[in-house]
Amino acid sequence: EAQVTQNPRYLITVTGKKLTVTCSQNMNHEYMSWYRQDPGLGLRQIYYSMNVEVTDKGDVPEGYKVSRKEKRNFPLILESPSPNQTSLYFCASSFMAPGQGRGDEQFFGPGTRLTVL
Amino acid sequence: GNSVTQMEGPVTLSEEAFLTINCTYTATGYPSLFWYVQYPGEGLQLLLKATKADDKGSNKGFEATYRKETTSFHLEKGSVQVSDSAVYFCALSDSGAGSYQLTFGKGTKLSVIP
Repeated sequence: EAQVTQNPRYLITVTGKKLTVTCSQNMNHEYMSWYRQDPGLGLRQIYYSMNVEVTDKGDVPEGYKVSRKEKRNFPLILESPSPNQTSLYFCASSFMAPGQGRGDEQFFGPGTRLTVL
Repeated sequence: GNSVTQMEGPVTLSEEAFLTINCTYTATGYPSLFWYVQYPGEGLQLLLKATKADDKGSNKGFEATYRKETTSFHLEKGSVQVSDSAVYFCALSDSGAGSYQLTFGKGTKLSVIP
């Protein structure tokens, strides 16, 4: 089954404790992206990757890191989480980046709900 | 920069009512337009899309027409069902802006009551 998987689905942690949220896709997609979803703000992009070893900042990258060592995986790293990073996080992927192709569909993972105390 | 504005929610309708969710956009290039739907506890999934002016996207009884003259992409359904209860996001991608991201509206929560 074609899908984007994220782990964990739920995480409660404390300020300053490093964590990683994994994202994996099995569709051989070039483009991957991380979003956070907050009430009243919609979805905002954190980082994206056009291909292996190519990553770039989105609209809200502060406090996050990513890596793309393999095509299928795109982990999100919070080196020192803070309470303002409490949010619902989504990973997404597609064959081409938005704006490169015409109307390329983004496939989203099920989300990771993170709470930082 | 690019932006998407969609009507504030929440929207509550009775089953079989007509649905309209308004969406307008600002883009610097030649956008493609999308509606994504998020069912409770799930990720977003594509509902429909349109890639050029006057195109109509349709799926599962939902429709939206790309109106360049009014920069709009309103979502409509003639008869909603309880199973349509979800959050709906209007979004755009812009091939002329050098921006490799989807720009989303803030979402409209729809609740359909029997």
